[in-house]
Amino acid sequence: DIVMSQSPDSLAVSLGERATINCKSSQSVLYNSNKKNQLAWYQKKPGQPPKLLIYWASTRESGVPDRFSGSGSGTDFTLTITSLQAEDVAVYYCQQYYDTPPTFGQGTKLEIK
Amino acid sequence: QAQLVESGGGVVQPGRSLRLSCAASGFTFSSFGMHWVRQAPGKGLEWVAGIWYDGSNKYDADSVKGRFTISRDNSKNTLYLQMNSLRAEDTAVYYCARGYCTSTSCYDAFDVWGQGTMVTVSS
Repeated sequence: DIVMSQSPDSLAVSLGERATINCKSSQSVLYNSNKKNQLAWYQKKPGQPPKLLIYWASTRESGVPDRFSGSGSGTDFTLTITSLQAEDVAVYYCQQYYDTPPTFGQGTKLEIK
Repeated sequence: QAQLVESGGGVVQPGRSLRLSCAASGFTFSSFGMHWVRQAPGKGLEWVAGIWYDGSNKYDADSVKGRFTISRDNSKNTLYLQMNSLRAEDTAVYYCARGYCTSTSCYDAFDVWGQGTMVTVSS
């Protein structure tokens, strides 16, 4: 199985500042046939289901604010939230869909400083 | 608007069985792969099982292999998870999720989620 590792485990950022979450896969998730990284990011708030934010490592899902962005390729990826808002407090997960089984990172808890 | 609604959760004793259902609406159910993902209390997300759009291929996590079975009824727009030989470590919120599809292919990313149903395995 592909192991996904996120850092940090938790993060406190001031309102209006930038938050950066890292994700590393144990093997490349770059699909050679379409040159796309099969990596997604989700936001999970208590009592709510996960919400897809980013797929193909950098494509924002419809309706997701543009302060959320994804980057990276191969085995190293980053989710960046510019100008943090109070409603962004959540746990964020990366997930690879390159191989079966699809696997998630352990999650990064984002709080307001 | 695509919607998924799970049902069937509850409290069950170890070793017993439970069947979860997920009713889909607002999209062409028979065109999408579907999945179950769970979250144990205080833990992260864990993919449990997936099934192709037509039910011809099923796959599941090693942690549930031989105990859980995913299935679907496209005539009823419903996804199922039959859970047998339940263990305490199966205690979790179980989410039904739709696989992400483009015009040509489908992938094991999850773009629509239900609200989840809680399963508690306890004596």
